Amino acid sequence: GQNIDQPTEMTATEGAIVQINCTYQTSGFNGLFWYQQHAGEAPTFLSYNVLDGLEEKGRFSSFLSRSKGYSYLLLKELQMKDSASYLCAVRDSNYQLIWGAGTKLIIKP
Amino acid sequence: GAVVSQHPSWVICKSGTSVKIECRSLDFQATTMFWYRQFPKQSLMLMATSNEGSKATYEQGVEKDKFLINHASLTLSTLTVTSAHPEDSSFYICSARDISGSGNQPQHFGDGTRLSIL
Repeated sequence: GQNIDQPTEMTATEGAIVQINCTYQTSGFNGLFWYQQHAGEAPTFLSYNVLDGLEEKGRFSSFLSRSKGYSYLLLKELQMKDSASYLCAVRDSNYQLIWGAGTKLIIKP
Repeated sequence: GAVVSQHPSWVICKSGTSVKIECRSLDFQATTMFWYRQFPKQSLMLMATSNEGSKATYEQGVEKDKFLINHASLTLSTLTVTSAHPEDSSFYICSARDISGSGNQPQHFGDGTRLSIL
């Protein structure tokens, strides 16, 4: 079956750095996506990786290793507004998005 | 950027009522739209894939006669929750795939509809 694993919850301090990991086992691979979702709101797109390596976009970076079925989202200079759930999603061979359960990130002052 | 409008944003109604939720792509054409349901503190659960001009594809366990989906045009899909009951109370989110097939952002999300059945 298809499976995406990410930690349920993480806590970090304002101004610090946090890394949210995602491992996946899917039937085929056509890209990995990270979305941010604040409570009661719809997800918003953060990043996309289809080749191995690091994609940097401002304070957020995303890394992919296809051979390891592994990705991480790195958030730098954490701000209180970064408190949200972070969803990892993989597009499989049928171009369907398979969603992880999300990681709730709590930022403390 | 691509915008998906979902309406209404909040619905409170009595048990047994049918509720229609609209999902529109405002500045792009969407051959495929997706309907998700999300219960509190849980992840997105895909309910069905809506294809313009054809029948929707429902995920296992989702009752197609209860959750009616219509995708009559390239910019509009509707989800009707028929004879809603309290257990149908949830956050319903639609998303749309741009017909141009942009690879790096496969789905654009609406703002969601919070449905509360009393």
